[in-house]
Amino acid sequence: DADVTQTPRNRITKTGKRIMLECSQTKGHDRMYWYRQDPGLGLRLIYYSFDVKDINKGEISDGYSVSRQAQAKFSLSLESAIPNQTALYFCATSDYSTDTQYFGPGTRLTVL
Amino acid sequence: GQQLNQSPQSMFIQEGEDVSMNCTSSSIFNTWLWYKQDPGEGPVLLIALYKAGELTSNGRLTAQFGITRKDSFLNISASIPSDVGIYFCAGQAPSAGGTSYGKLTFGQGTILTVHP
Repeated sequence: DADVTQTPRNRITKTGKRIMLECSQTKGHDRMYWYRQDPGLGLRLIYYSFDVKDINKGEISDGYSVSRQAQAKFSLSLESAIPNQTALYFCATSDYSTDTQYFGPGTRLTVL
Repeated sequence: GQQLNQSPQSMFIQEGEDVSMNCTSSSIFNTWLWYKQDPGEGPVLLIALYKAGELTSNGRLTAQFGITRKDSFLNISASIPSDVGIYFCAGQAPSAGGTSYGKLTFGQGTILTVHP
C-alpha cells in the first residue's frame, strides 16, 4: 500500500463550486504539505502543517484553505473554484528530523 | 522569497549518453534534494545532500552540493529509456525565526527525453 494517498485522483468541477481534496499518510510523519504544479513552474507551496495544531500559509494560499483533522490527514479546500485553479495538486509529508519530503500520487483538478 | 533556477528546461538525448543538469540560487541552502517525476505520478526522491561539497551517488545518478551552498548538479550516466521524466531540484533555506525550516523551494524542472 502507498504511504501517501490522495483522493480523488481526478476531478472536474465548475466555477464557483466548493471542492475538497484529501490526503492520508501511513508514514507517521508530523509534517504535511500541499503543493500545486503548473507546467513550467515546478511545485509551489500552498499550505503546510508541522503538527495537528499548526497550520501555515505557503507562497500561494489565496483561494485555498486547509484542515489537519489528525496527524495522518490533511485536506485542501477550494471554497469557490475558479478556472485558474486548474492544476495538479500534490500532498507531501516529512519527518521533523529531516527535510526529505515524500509525495502522494497527485490529484488532477479541472475547473470549467 | 527563495528562487531556484534549474537548467536546462528540457533535454533530448540518445540512449547511452550521459546527462547533466543543475540548479542555482541567489541565496544559500542547507539541504539540496533531487526528485524525479514520472507521468501521472508524484515526485520521487532520488538523492538528498546535506553538506556543502558533498558528492553522493545512487546507482547511475551522482549529485553534488556546491561549495558555495548556492548550487547543485545531478548527473545521470549511460541513460536508459526509463530515465524519461521530469527532474526537480529542491532546496531548504536556513531557518529564519523558525519559519522556513521544513519548507522546500523547487526548481522549474528539467524534462528528459531519451531516444532508444
